[in-house]
Amino acid sequence: EVQLVESGGDLVQPGGSLRLSCAASGFSFGNYDMSWVRQAPGKGLEWVSGICSSGCSPYYADSVKGRFTISRDNSKNTLYLQMNSLRVDDTAVYFCARHKDALRYNAGGDYWGQGTLVSVS
Amino acid sequence: DIVLTQSPGTLSLSPGERATLSCRASQSVTRNYLAWYQQKAGQAPRLLIYDASSRATGIPDRFSGSGSGTDFTLTISRLEPEDFAVYYCQQYATFLFSFGPGTKVDIK
Repeated sequence: EVQLVESGGDLVQPGGSLRLSCAASGFSFGNYDMSWVRQAPGKGLEWVSGICSSGCSPYYADSVKGRFTISRDNSKNTLYLQMNSLRVDDTAVYFCARHKDALRYNAGGDYWGQGTLVSVS
Repeated sequence: DIVLTQSPGTLSLSPGERATLSCRASQSVTRNYLAWYQQKAGQAPRLLIYDASSRATGIPDRFSGSGSGTDFTLTISRLEPEDFAVYYCQQYATFLFSFGPGTKVDIK
């Protein structure tokens, strides 16, 4: 069974840092591209960042570029999001999502974690 | 960047009725790389449709997607009680993905 479990969300002051993790199981993590998507309270979905299975440059939404860094450790089946210079408007539930097709970046997200809450205040 | 708009913002219908949701892109979505998701309160999004018209695994056939270029449609042929939720479209044609603002389907 495919599972994605996020962790690391917390209450942090503006200007602070946080690292989110997404532990994957039930599939060959190293073969799948991944994304982070966030949802502010009562708002819609916002794509944050994406990373390919290995060897390509990651991609970022303009709202987080230069502050957030996506990375992965395929040996640990884990996706990360390092968030620096956090702002009040970064407050959201952060989801990790698997891109549907192995070795294909341009795909929808077929499996999602339950999300982890980041509060900046 | 591709900007997606969805209409209507809210759709009030009764169970058994047909729902038609629209998603429009600011520029052509290459290869129709567009998905539809359903989200219920407190839950993660669920992939319904990918590549504009292909149903994801386990999705009932009352859900269908159509369209190409800049105009896409999600149709729910007969609403079931569990279908009342928020629906988002997403483009993944570029390296920077984007979502539409969502359409809420609620009970009339």
